[in-house]
Amino acid sequence: DAGVTQSPTHLIKTRGQQVTLRCSPKSGHDTVSWYQQALGQGPQFIFQYYEEEERQRGNFPDRFSGHQFPNYSSELNVNALLLGDSALYLCASSRDRANTEAFFGQGTRLTVV
Amino acid sequence: SQQGEEDPQALSIQEGENATMNCSYKTSINNLQWYRQNSGRGLVHLILIRSNEREKHSGRLRVTLDTSKKSSSLLITASRAADTASYFCATVITGGGNKLTFGTGTQLKVEL
Repeated sequence: DAGVTQSPTHLIKTRGQQVTLRCSPKSGHDTVSWYQQALGQGPQFIFQYYEEEERQRGNFPDRFSGHQFPNYSSELNVNALLLGDSALYLCASSRDRANTEAFFGQGTRLTVV
Repeated sequence: SQQGEEDPQALSIQEGENATMNCSYKTSINNLQWYRQNSGRGLVHLILIRSNEREKHSGRLRVTLDTSKKSSSLLITASRAADTASYFCATVITGGGNKLTFGTGTQLKVEL
C-alpha cells in the first residue's frame, strides 16, 4: 500500500516564475491538505481539498492555489514566486474530514533564487 | 501563526535515557497529535490524544494532555539513537475543521 507520494522531491525556480507541485494521497483517503514548512519552523496550513473543492484555507495569499482531481490527487500552484516562498511543501492525506490522523508525504523542497 | 510552543527547543540525551518534551497551545482543541520529522523530510504520525483523554501509551511513547493548562507532554522511554529527530505537536482546534496547527518543534538528539 503506497503512502502519500509527492513530486518532484526538489525544485529550483527563479523569482517571478510559477510552480506546480503534485500529491497522490494514501489509498482510501479522500482529503488532501497542503502545508508550508520554512527552515527551522513547524508546518503552516495552506489549504485543504475535499470532493474537489477547497474547504479550508490558511493565511496565504491568492498566489497559492490548488486543485483536487476525481481520483483525489491534488496540485499546489504558486504564482509569481518570491524568495520567501522557499520552503518544504508537505502534502497530507486523511480518510475523511473528521479529526483523524494525517499521513504526510516526504515533501517537495522548493528553492526560489 | 503557530498555535503554541514546544519546550525545550533542543534536547540532547544519552541512549537509554528518557526524553520528555512539552507542548503548550492557546485555544480549545478536539485533539492533539505528535509527529516526528527526520532530517527535514516528511512527518510521521506518532500518537493522537483526544480532548477527553488524559493519557495515552504507544510502545515506548507516553502522552499526557491537560486541557485546563492547555498543555501536553511526550515521553520517550529508553531512547535510542534512531529516535534522533524533530518532534512536533499539532492541534485540531475546536470549530477549526481538521486542519493541523503545529508547534515550533523540539530537536531531540540521542547520543550513543
